Amino acid sequence: AQTVTQSQPEMSVQEAETVTLSCTYDTSESDYYLFWYKQPPSRQMILVIRQEAYKQQNATENRFSVNFQKAAKSFSLKISDSQLGDAAMYFCAYRSGRYSGGGADGLTFGKGTHLIIQP
Amino acid sequence: DTGVSQDPRHKITKRGQNVTFRCDPISEHNRLYWYRQTLGQGPEFLTYFQNEAQLEKSRLLSDRFSAERPKGSFSTLEIQRTEQGDSAMYLCASTIGLADTGELFFGEGSRLTVL
Repeated sequence: AQTVTQSQPEMSVQEAETVTLSCTYDTSESDYYLFWYKQPPSRQMILVIRQEAYKQQNATENRFSVNFQKAAKSFSLKISDSQLGDAAMYFCAYRSGRYSGGGADGLTFGKGTHLIIQP
Repeated sequence: DTGVSQDPRHKITKRGQNVTFRCDPISEHNRLYWYRQTLGQGPEFLTYFQNEAQLEKSRLLSDRFSAERPKGSFSTLEIQRTEQGDSAMYLCASTIGLADTGELFFGEGSRLTVL
């Protein structure tokens, strides 16, 4: 079974600064997806960024980028120019790829990192 | 609104009562998932459907839990004889299926409080 570990229960950053959230995972599969989801207080979970394991290039979405280290099974999220609206729980998640056999077809989540933005 | 919708958003019940949650996925999505999220934790997989077929159930889904998706559209999650340990947020998510990008689209959740 796959596991996802987020070792930072809480992180705090000054507005406009850069912060990096850590995530490691364990899998024996070669085909998979990795995600960062954002869950604002009392709001639905939304996708921040996704990465296909077969792609070596790190994904980037505006101020959000990842550092995907496949051999190390590490998938960190960097948020540049932090804004007050970035305050939320951030979850790292793993999903087996289309051609990986077995297991639940849904997402396996880490426990989350609570990101606080200091004005 | 074309997103995933869940009803009710909040439910308070007494121990031993039955509760039912409903999820309406995005209309063209044929895969539907239920997750449970307790305070300070990430969501945990409960079960999923491909159209009307329930393809996998987690060991977390005890025999007091039942989920259906009778016509491959909306889904219900029923908890019988609720216990205080059932208090959690129940999240529904959907995706388009084999052609998908791996992303799941989530509803806002149904928060259950068992007194």
